Amino acid sequence: GEDVEQSLFLSVREGDSSVINCTYTDSSSTYLYWYKQEPGAGLQLLTYIFSNMDMKQDQRLTVLLNKKDKHLSLRIADTQTGDSAIYFCAESDNAGKSTFGDGTTLTVKP
Amino acid sequence: DGGITQSPKYLFRKEGQNVTLSCEQNLNHDAMYWYRQDPGQGLRLIYYSQIVNDFQKGDIAEGYSVSREKKESFPLTVTSAQKNPTAFYLCASSMGGRIYEQYFGPGTRLTVT
Repeated sequence: GEDVEQSLFLSVREGDSSVINCTYTDSSSTYLYWYKQEPGAGLQLLTYIFSNMDMKQDQRLTVLLNKKDKHLSLRIADTQTGDSAIYFCAESDNAGKSTFGDGTTLTVKP
Repeated sequence: DGGITQSPKYLFRKEGQNVTLSCEQNLNHDAMYWYRQDPGQGLRLIYYSQIVNDFQKGDIAEGYSVSREKKESFPLTVTSAQKNPTAFYLCASSMGGRIYEQYFGPGTRLTVT
């Protein structure tokens, strides 16, 4: 079946850029997403990219998609302590079923 | 305010009892989903529904049941057949069609002892 993989942990200093990486296996993925989860809460959609795009920028967030390598990344510029959370990569197929990665825990140190 | 509500936030049950988790949305979304999240793990899909009166099994449907009698509501029953029911349960909805980004509720933490 489909698989989405992410590294489990990332630690950065406040003000630095964070880059969270994700790889996926389903070549029929139509949309790829980044979600944020704060402790004890549901997931919040941060941004998404359609599979025929290679980049999307939204304020401090930049998503890069390498469809050939099935690699997705999320860059957060000027990372703040409030960005500390778990970030999930997800992909959806044509039937609308989504597969999520295990999440990357981002820790931002002051 | 539009959104998804899940109740209760915390739920405690004795082993052998069925329990139903509530999920309601007022976003007029066609599709709804139930996920299970265990510590340190991602989300695993239990059931999903693309339209009223229709639903499909996800990756870990055994021991769970759902109904979708109304567009706004997608309750999940955790039955006594579920071997390890203690987990954080998340409900989500999406517009459906080709727009699949999901909006999540705050979750219900179920503890079975």
